[in-house]
Formats: sequence, C-alpha cells, structure tokens
Amino acid sequence: AQSVTQLGSHVSVSEGALVLLRCNYSSSVPPYLFWYVQYPNQGLQLLLKYTSAATLVKGINGFEAEFKKSETSFHLTKPSAHMSDAAEYFCAVSDRNQFYFGTGTSLTVIP
Amino acid sequence: GAVVSQHPSWVICKSGTSVKIECRSLDFQATTMFWYRQFPKQSLMLMATSNEGSKATYEQGVEKDKFLINHASLTLSTLTVTSAHPEDSSFYICSARGQGALETQYFGPGTRLLVL
Repeated sequence: AQSVTQLGSHVSVSEGALVLLRCNYSSSVPPYLFWYVQYPNQGLQLLLKYTSAATLVKGINGFEAEFKKSETSFHLTKPSAHMSDAAEYFCAVSDRNQFYFGTGTSLTVIP
Repeated sequence: GAVVSQHPSWVICKSGTSVKIECRSLDFQATTMFWYRQFPKQSLMLMATSNEGSKATYEQGVEKDKFLINHASLTLSTLTVTSAHPEDSSFYICSARGQGALETQYFGPGTRLLVL
C-alpha cells in the first residue's frame, strides 16, 4: 500500500530564507514521487518528480527535492523564498495506477 | 506540453439541476483521466478513474448515479453532477495521464461548483 505523510500543515518563512517542506512516503513498490503546487482556486502544477533516475531532482521555480530511500523521504527545498512561493504544496506517490496525496502544506512567506 | 483544461471554471446552479464539467487534454492523448474533489483546506479526494471507451471506476463511497463520467475520446472526459444539491458544492479537479509517462498525472485548473 502507498501513503504519504507531510509533516507540518503550515510553514512560515521569511522572504529570502530557506524553504523546507517535508514528505515521507510508504510504498510497497519502487515509488514514483511528486511535488505539486496549488495556488488559490487553481489546479495543481507539477513542480518536480522522481522516477528512479537521479536522487536529487530539480524542478521549476528553483525548487528541488532529494529522494532518500533509507529515510523514505522526499523533502522539497528552495534556497531563497520568494513572495510568489506562497501556496499550498502537495506531495504524492504513484504506483502507476493512481496517486496517493499527502494532506498538503500551506507555505506563507513573510516579507 | 501536457496541458489540461477544464470548462467551466466556475458554475452556480440551482438545487435539482444537472451540471456538466468538461476536461480536455490539449496537446496529448489521455488514455486515463481522473476526477478529484477537493474541500476547502483539504487534500484531493479521488472520485473516479476513467479509461477511454470504457466505464469509469468509482472509488468507494462515490455515487456513480450522481456523478456520471464519460470518457468518449482520448482528449475529453466529462463529469456530470446530476440533481445537484448544496452538499455537492465543491472544487472539482480533473487530471489526465498520457500514453508515455504512465506514472505522471497532469491536472486541470479546476471547476468551482456552487449549488444554491
């Protein structure tokens, strides 16, 4: 069975500070892992995905995530937060049949 | 590439009426489309999975007679909320999966439904 846990439903960072959003997964098969961003009243935009290639995955808007099998983690980071990064972030694991979403983390960026 | 559109983006209707939401893959053929429902401040809840040319598979607890899904072509799936009631008010999001990267879903912008 697949599942995703996102630690911290709300994260606040100052503009220019490091962004770290945590995601741990459980998967009975080699996982495909994703981070999506959702702005208010919009759909989900793919930030990045891990599909068993390089463990450090670079995505759009300066985000990256590292797959750590030993820790079953796929944390999302960005070195310097921008005001436009304020949004809801979802981690998901796929077994190729369907997605299993985390509960989401709301990121607030403080000017 | 991999753009998914939804129409309408907003719909307000009276209780008892039916509402149709369209989901289109604009630049790829979607063998599978998914319909999700999202409540405020919550994650996405999968409602059903549809494969082109076959009946949709509904998740447990989702009324198939209320939420009619049709996936008539490789670029279009529709969700019809029949006899809508205020409790059906929600944000509905579709996603599509192509024939290439089967592990990835591309999401539409969502449809906000308000039933009065």
